[in-house]
Amino acid sequence: EAQVTQNPRYLITVTGKKLTVTCSQNMNHEYMSWYRQDPGLGLRQIYYSMNVEVTDKGDVPEGYKVSRKEKRNFPLILESPSPNQTSLYFCAAGRYEQYFGPGTRLTVT
Amino acid sequence: AQSVTQPDIHITVSEGASLELRCNYSYGATPYLFWYVQSPGQGLQLLLKYFSGDTLVQGIKGFEAEFKRSQSSFNLRKPSVHWSDAAEYFCAVGDKNTGKLIFGQGTTLQVKP
Repeated sequence: EAQVTQNPRYLITVTGKKLTVTCSQNMNHEYMSWYRQDPGLGLRQIYYSMNVEVTDKGDVPEGYKVSRKEKRNFPLILESPSPNQTSLYFCAAGRYEQYFGPGTRLTVT
Repeated sequence: AQSVTQPDIHITVSEGASLELRCNYSYGATPYLFWYVQSPGQGLQLLLKYFSGDTLVQGIKGFEAEFKRSQSSFNLRKPSVHWSDAAEYFCAVGDKNTGKLIFGQGTTLQVKP
């Protein structure tokens, strides 16, 4: 089954404690991206990757890092999380037709 | 600047009634347009897309949307709503250069029995 998986699905952490949200796809898409969803704001792109080793900032990249060492994986890294990064995060694969993972709900206290 | 506006934050319709969700976009060229649905606690599922050609596009679950260039709109329609259609609906425009999806704020659909 074609899918995008994310882990963890839920995470509660404290300010400043580094964390990584993993994303993996089995559809062989070159393009992957990360979005955050906040009430009343819809989804906003954080980072995207056109291909392995090629990443670029989206609309809200501050406080986030990504890496793309292999085609199927695109982890999102928060080196020093802050409460304003409390949000619902989605990974997506595909460029002109994007397929979304189930989401990761992150709470930073 | 590219943007998407969904004027209705919340809509309630009776089961069996018709539905139209509005979407207006701002984009410099012919856009790629999408509608996604998000059920509570779920990810986003693609309902339909418009890239070019026929301006009336059919999607899954009985949904359709019409691209109207003159009105910069891409409204979603369904002739008869089912209780299972209750969800949040997002319209999006695709940036052809970066691949980014620019989303509207979303419309929450409630279905009355």
